[in-house]
Amino acid sequence: DTEVTQTPKHLVMGMTNKKSLKCEQHMGHRAMYWYKQKAKKPPELMFVYSYEKLSINESVPSRFSPECPNSSLLNLHLHALQPEDSALYLCASSQERILIVAGELFFGEGSRLTVL
Amino acid sequence: GEDVEQSLFLSVREGDSSVINCTYTDSSSTYLYWYKQEPGAGLQLLTYIFSNMDMKQDQRLTVLLNKKDKHLSLRIADTQTGDSAIYFCAERDSNYQLIWGAGTKLIIKP
Repeated sequence: DTEVTQTPKHLVMGMTNKKSLKCEQHMGHRAMYWYKQKAKKPPELMFVYSYEKLSINESVPSRFSPECPNSSLLNLHLHALQPEDSALYLCASSQERILIVAGELFFGEGSRLTVL
Repeated sequence: GEDVEQSLFLSVREGDSSVINCTYTDSSSTYLYWYKQEPGAGLQLLTYIFSNMDMKQDQRLTVLLNKKDKHLSLRIADTQTGDSAIYFCAERDSNYQLIWGAGTKLIIKP
């Protein structure tokens, strides 16, 4: 199984809603990532978890709250978002956080978020 | 800081070769990558090259690295309609994270 599965594929939410994005991998990877990608732009790193601990937070606003309940699961809790937060949110995983060897990141297909 | 640059679009005829170029600034980069993103999908690693190599070939893909000029290219031979995608160049920085280019949209003309 070389898949990273993200749910939901599409999400529409109002600015007062609370919702969550979910990500799952069963490759035994110990690092998991959240990226944000706006249209026609490269992905921007948001958070990195390594061995279920948050190791990188790229100054992301607190309305985005990551959670790693176990080594296979990664959540992104969303609350009080703004319309400019609308984007494709990509989850990825790698064997280790330090990309020593080929550094392959396995990406999910993303959750497309629209904030009204 | 480190920077990776790519042209935004490339248009080629089906059956021709596509060459996508990338320049980077971090001379200490040890790995450079090409990722492919099809419409509505996540990113998929196509190939990578280690900095002590000049060239790497993998079926229809050829990666050329000019370390002196900090220039990386991806050649796709016999381009097919299924190659339509955005191609991202990325380098691994000193913190072992990826610095991404803006992506080159490859457009295939029949």
